[in-house]
Amino acid sequence: KQEVTQIPAALSVPEGENLVLNCSFTDSAIYNLQWFRQDPGKGLTSLLLIQSSQREQTSGRLNASLDKSSGRSTLYIAASQPGDSATYLCAVSMAGTASKLTFGTGTRLQVTL
Amino acid sequence: ETGVTQSPTHLIKTRGQQVTLRCSSQSGHNTVSWYQQALGQGPQFIFQYYREEENGRGNFPPRFSGLQFPNYSSELNVNALELDDSALYLCATKTRDATDTQYFGPGTRLTVL
Repeated sequence: KQEVTQIPAALSVPEGENLVLNCSFTDSAIYNLQWFRQDPGKGLTSLLLIQSSQREQTSGRLNASLDKSSGRSTLYIAASQPGDSATYLCAVSMAGTASKLTFGTGTRLQVTL
Repeated sequence: ETGVTQSPTHLIKTRGQQVTLRCSSQSGHNTVSWYQQALGQGPQFIFQYYREEENGRGNFPPRFSGLQFPNYSSELNVNALELDDSALYLCATKTRDATDTQYFGPGTRLTVL
């Protein structure tokens, strides 16, 4: 059974800092990995999708890496801003069940002024 | 905005009642998945529908059931509500392409008293 863990559970950083969020998964036979952002009480916004054959994806100030063999992914946020404050969730899908996502419990990020 | 809408936004029910939640699909998205997100947790996969047929189910009892309509909109029905059913219910739509990302709606907050 796939299990996804995110560390840390919560993080507070001052504006302008670069930061790294971590995600690990137990079964390396994934199809893809996604990072999502969730604002309080809201739905999920997809940030980055990495296929299992890829090593990283970039979008603006965000960079996600994937090391499938070690079961790890990181989300790097450069020059953090208060508007980045949210919960960040990673999710993996398995081959044959590409639409079923298994989520971690998220990292709650607060960027302070 | 993902183009996926859900109704109602909030709902309060009592134990033993039945509830129907609705999700409209983004244009061209023929696959819909439903997730349950308890407070402070990551979303848990309930089931998925493709072309009006259930196409995968998570670890949820039969009192959780669904429908998908020819226009790809969807319903989640929950019978005999329990207190633990209180959660944010999210739907996500995508194309059949396994490499495509999923687009989440804003969710329905269900409270069971």
